Amino acid sequence: EPEVTQTPSHQVTQMGQEVILRCVPISNHLYFYWYRQILGQKVEFLVSFYNNEISEKSEIFDDQFSVERPDGSNFTLKIRSTKLEDSAMYFCASSGGDVGYREANYGYTFGSGTRLTVV
Amino acid sequence: QKEVEQDPGPLSVPEGAIVSLNCTYSNSAFQYFMWYRQYSRKGPELLMYTYSSGNKEDGRFTAQVDKSSKYISLFIRDSQPSDSATYLCAMLVWNTGFQKLVFGTGTRLLVSP
Repeated sequence: EPEVTQTPSHQVTQMGQEVILRCVPISNHLYFYWYRQILGQKVEFLVSFYNNEISEKSEIFDDQFSVERPDGSNFTLKIRSTKLEDSAMYFCASSGGDVGYREANYGYTFGSGTRLTVV
Repeated sequence: QKEVEQDPGPLSVPEGAIVSLNCTYSNSAFQYFMWYRQYSRKGPELLMYTYSSGNKEDGRFTAQVDKSSKYISLFIRDSQPSDSATYLCAMLVWNTGFQKLVFGTGTRLLVSP
């Protein structure tokens, strides 16, 4: 079964450092997302990406965050200057289907996540 | 009022019990309703999704949606210890080129042998 792959599984970084979290979505999917889950809290939407641009972002996704699809397979989340409160599990997800093919669009597949620890 | 409300539990049941998990929501724009299962330190795994009010069954799982009451449920029959996990309800807002899932806090389920 196709899966979303995330690397690394765990990243420890010092406050103020830049981190890049990497994801390989399912190959024929068109929508890509980042969500995060702070320990003990709910999964929160960060950003959605479609047609090589951000289609929606949350209040959490401020100027410190950016996303990129540098090639046909990878999808990255960059945090420019990490803060202690950025410590969380970061989940990448993708969903398939064309813009008009609504029925396929809600078939999200999540990766196993990257646990980011900022010290 | 939170967009999606879900009792965090934990909910402890013996093996074989029928489990009922519930969520309420406030946003009428939600169009699709999902249930995800999440094991510790893993990503959410889609269990079921529904669009309209009514019931949808898949094996031991039944998802129920009541749009008029803004209330969704997941029933698990003949629960097994392997069902022990956190169950997340999620609501999807969908527009052309844009989708967003809004999750509940999750209910932790413990099924004892």
